[in-house]
Amino acid sequence: KAGVTQTPRYLIKTRGQQVTLSCSPISGHRSVSWYQQTPGQGLQFLFEYFSETQRNKGNFPGRFSGRQFSNSRSEMNVSTLELGDSALYLCASSLRTGGGGDTQYFGPGTRLTVL
Amino acid sequence: EDKVVQSPLSLVVHEGDTVTLNCSYEVTNFRSLLWYKQEKKAPTFLFMLTSSGIEKKSGRLSSILDKKELFSILNITATQTGDSAIYLCAVSKYGGATNKLIFGTGTLLAVQP
Repeated sequence: KAGVTQTPRYLIKTRGQQVTLSCSPISGHRSVSWYQQTPGQGLQFLFEYFSETQRNKGNFPGRFSGRQFSNSRSEMNVSTLELGDSALYLCASSLRTGGGGDTQYFGPGTRLTVL
Repeated sequence: EDKVVQSPLSLVVHEGDTVTLNCSYEVTNFRSLLWYKQEKKAPTFLFMLTSSGIEKKSGRLSSILDKKELFSILNITATQTGDSAIYLCAVSKYGGATNKLIFGTGTLLAVQP
C-alpha cells in the first residue's frame, strides 16, 4: 500500500507570494492533518480535515488555510508569505478521526524556503 | 497549557551502546503517547502506548509508559549507526473528535561507528 505523498518536495518563494501544498493520504484513510516543523518550535499542529470538514485548527494566523477534497486529498495554502514561514510542512493521514485513537502516518514533507 | 518535554535534547553514543530517551508530559484528557523516528524527512511510527506499565517491543527498541508519573521512556539496545535520527514523542488527547498530536522538540541521537 502506498504511503502518504506530498508535492512538491521543495519550494522556494519570496515574501508576499502565496503557496499551495498538496497531500495524498494512504488509500482508505479519511483524516488528514498538517504540521509545521521548524528547528526552534519543533512540530506544531496546523489543522485537521475529515470528510472535507476542518475538525481542528492550531494557533496559526488566518494566512494559513486548507481544504480537503472528496477523495480525501488535501491542500494547504499560505498567503502573503513571511520569512518565518520557512519550514518543513508535514502531512499525516489516519484512518478516521475521533478522539485521537488512530495512529498517524506521515508523508515526506514539503520544504518551503521564503526569501 | 499542554506540554511535552523530551530529554536529552541530543546524545552521542558509540555503536553497541544502550540509550534511554525520556519524554514527560502535562496534558489534560491524556489518551495515548506515540514515538516516532525521523531520519531525513517523514517521521516513521514506532510505538503507541496507552496503558501504564506494559512494555512495547520491536527488535532492539522498547518503550514503556508511566501514567502516574506522566512519562515514557524509549530504550534502544545494541545501537547501530542506522539508529541515528531525531526521536519524537507526541501525545494525543480525548475529546474534540480530532487526531491532533502535541509533540516534544525531539531528541537528536547520533551513533558513531
